Amino acid sequence: GQNIDQPTEMTATEGAIVQINCTYQTSGFNGLFWYQQHAGEAPTFLSYNVLDGLEEKGRFSSFLSRSKGYSYLLLKELQMKDSASYLCAASDSNYQLIWGAGTKLIIKP
Amino acid sequence: GAVVSQHPSRVICKSGTSVKIECRSLDFQATTMFWYRQFPKKSLMLMATSNEGSKATYEQGVEKDKFLINHASLTLSTLTVTSAHPEDSSFYICSARGLARDYEQYFGPGTRLTVT
Repeated sequence: GQNIDQPTEMTATEGAIVQINCTYQTSGFNGLFWYQQHAGEAPTFLSYNVLDGLEEKGRFSSFLSRSKGYSYLLLKELQMKDSASYLCAASDSNYQLIWGAGTKLIIKP
Repeated sequence: GAVVSQHPSRVICKSGTSVKIECRSLDFQATTMFWYRQFPKKSLMLMATSNEGSKATYEQGVEKDKFLINHASLTLSTLTVTSAHPEDSSFYICSARGLARDYEQYFGPGTRLTVT
């Protein structure tokens, strides 16, 4: 079956760095997405990886290892506004997104 | 970037009535649109996938007669919740995928449905 695993909740301190991990198993693979979702709002796109390696975009970076079925989202210089849920989603052979349950990130001052 | 709008943003209706939610891609042609629902503190649950001009493909457990989906054009899809009940109260989100961008989904802002 198809499955996405990510931690349910993480806590970090303002100004610090946090890494949110995601493992996936899909029928075929066409890339790995990370989305940010604030409470009561729709998800917003953060990153897309289809090749192995690290993609950096400002304070956020995303890593992919296809052979390990593994990705992580790295958030640097954490700000209070980064408190949100982070959703990992893998695109399968039909370009359908298989969603993880999301990781709720709590930032403390 | 690609923009998807959704209307209404919030709706309150009485039990037994029907509600229509519109999803529009504003600056690109959406060959495929997706409808999700999300319960509080839960992840997105895909309800159905619709391709322009064809019938929607519903996920297992989603009643196609209750959640009517129409994708009449490349920029508009509608979800109608028929004979709504309080258990249909949820956050409904649409997303759209374009012809050229065959990997990324762009999300609408969501519709908060409350059935009293």
